[in-house]
Amino acid sequence: RKEVEQDPGPFNVPEGATVAFNCTYSNSASQSFFWYRQDCRKEPKLLMSVYSSGNEDGRFTAQLNRASQYISLLIRDSKLSDSATYLCVVNKAAGNKLTFGGGTRVLVKP
Amino acid sequence: DVKVTQSSRYLVKRTGEKVFLECVQDMDHENMFWYRQDPGLGLRLIYFSYDVKMKEKGDIPEGYSVSREKKERFSLILESASTNQTSMYLCASSSPRVTYEQYFGPGTRLTVT
Repeated sequence: RKEVEQDPGPFNVPEGATVAFNCTYSNSASQSFFWYRQDCRKEPKLLMSVYSSGNEDGRFTAQLNRASQYISLLIRDSKLSDSATYLCVVNKAAGNKLTFGGGTRVLVKP
Repeated sequence: DVKVTQSSRYLVKRTGEKVFLECVQDMDHENMFWYRQDPGLGLRLIYFSYDVKMKEKGDIPEGYSVSREKKERFSLILESASTNQTSMYLCASSSPRVTYEQYFGPGTRLTVT
C-alpha cells in the first residue's frame, strides 16, 4: 500500500464551480500535511499547509481528519488558472523528508 | 526569489553510461534533495543532504549516488545508466527552519536507450 494515496483524476470542473478531493495516508504517526501544486511541465510549488483545525487561503480550503487519516482540498469558484495537478504531501516526523502522493489532476473548463 | 537550477532540461544517454545531473541553488539552503517523478508513482526521494559532505538515502537509492562538495551544489550520479532509470529528475532545496517548503528546479527529463 502506498504511504500517500490520491485519486489521479482528472476532475473536469466547469469554471466557477467547486471541486473537492481527498488524499489518504497510511502512517498514523504522520505529523504534518501540505498541498503542493504542479502546473503542466513545471516544478511543484507549495500551495498551503494543512492544520488540524482546517485552514483557508482565499478560494482554497484544506481540512485534516486524523481519525480517518485523510486530508482534503476544496477549491471554490474555480478559475481556468486552477488547472494543475495537486500533490498531497506528508511529513512523517519532524525533519527534512516529505512523502508525496501521486497527485490529483484538475482541469477547469470554460 | 529562490532559484534552483538544473544542468539540463533534456538528456539522452545510452545504457551503461555514467550520468551526472547537477543542481545549484542560490538561497544558501542547507537541505537539498533529489527526486524522480514517474506517472502514477509521484515523486520518490532518491537521496538528500542536510549539509556539505553529508548525505542520506531516500526511498529508492539503488543505482544512484550523490555528491555535495559545496553548499549550493548537489549532484546525482547514475553509475551505469539503465533503461528503468528513464524518468524526470527533480532537485529541491529547503531551509532547515522551514523544511516543508521545498523549492524545486525545473527538472531534467532523462531518457536511457
